[in-house]
Amino acid sequence: DVKVTQSSRYLVKRTGEKVFLECVQDMDHENMFWYRQDPGLGLRLIYFSYDVKMKEKGDIPEGYSVSREKKERFSLILESASTNQTSMYLCASSSWDLIKEKLFFGSGTQLSVL
Amino acid sequence: DAKTTQPPSMDCAEGRAANLPCNHSTISGNEYVYWYRQIHSQGPQYIIHGLKNNETNEMASLIITEDRKSSTLILPHATLRDTAVYYCIVRISLNQAGTALIFGKGTTLSVSS
Repeated sequence: DVKVTQSSRYLVKRTGEKVFLECVQDMDHENMFWYRQDPGLGLRLIYFSYDVKMKEKGDIPEGYSVSREKKERFSLILESASTNQTSMYLCASSSWDLIKEKLFFGSGTQLSVL
Repeated sequence: DAKTTQPPSMDCAEGRAANLPCNHSTISGNEYVYWYRQIHSQGPQYIIHGLKNNETNEMASLIITEDRKSSTLILPHATLRDTAVYYCIVRISLNQAGTALIFGKGTTLSVSS
């Protein structure tokens, strides 16, 4: 079975903390994505990566950065967490077959910033 | 990027067909239509995709109008486990590097017995 694993299911952090959300996939996928999901707003794309050390901004990159040092791992970084970053964060991966692109999602990390 | 419009919610009786509409009037000729669903507390799951022709797999059927401005996802015999948020997504094909799936708010389908 394909697997996208997010390091934490629930996370509580304080305002101003630096927060790392980790995502690992075991499918040798080239593409990895970070989304956040908020009630009434659906899923919004934060960042994505098509290869190691490459990154592209999504719709809402402000306040976030990412790191892709290895193919299987894509990290989302909140440099200084704020309360408006309280959200469900979803990581996904896909292969570089764009005609039949399927995203495989992790179970999500519910982040609360107090 | 082409945008999609879906009704916010729909109801369906168990065992009946669920027909979920999606408008994508600004779709380009090389853009695919993708459908995903998200069951509560889980990440979204791929259902089906298509370009011009109707498609069917073990989960659902996808009907795309001839002008490609709208599509319908059909769950032929809905069950309680099909209760979920369904997302219709249009993305640009591989000629446009650097794109990704853009999810909207989706349709919340409630299947009841």
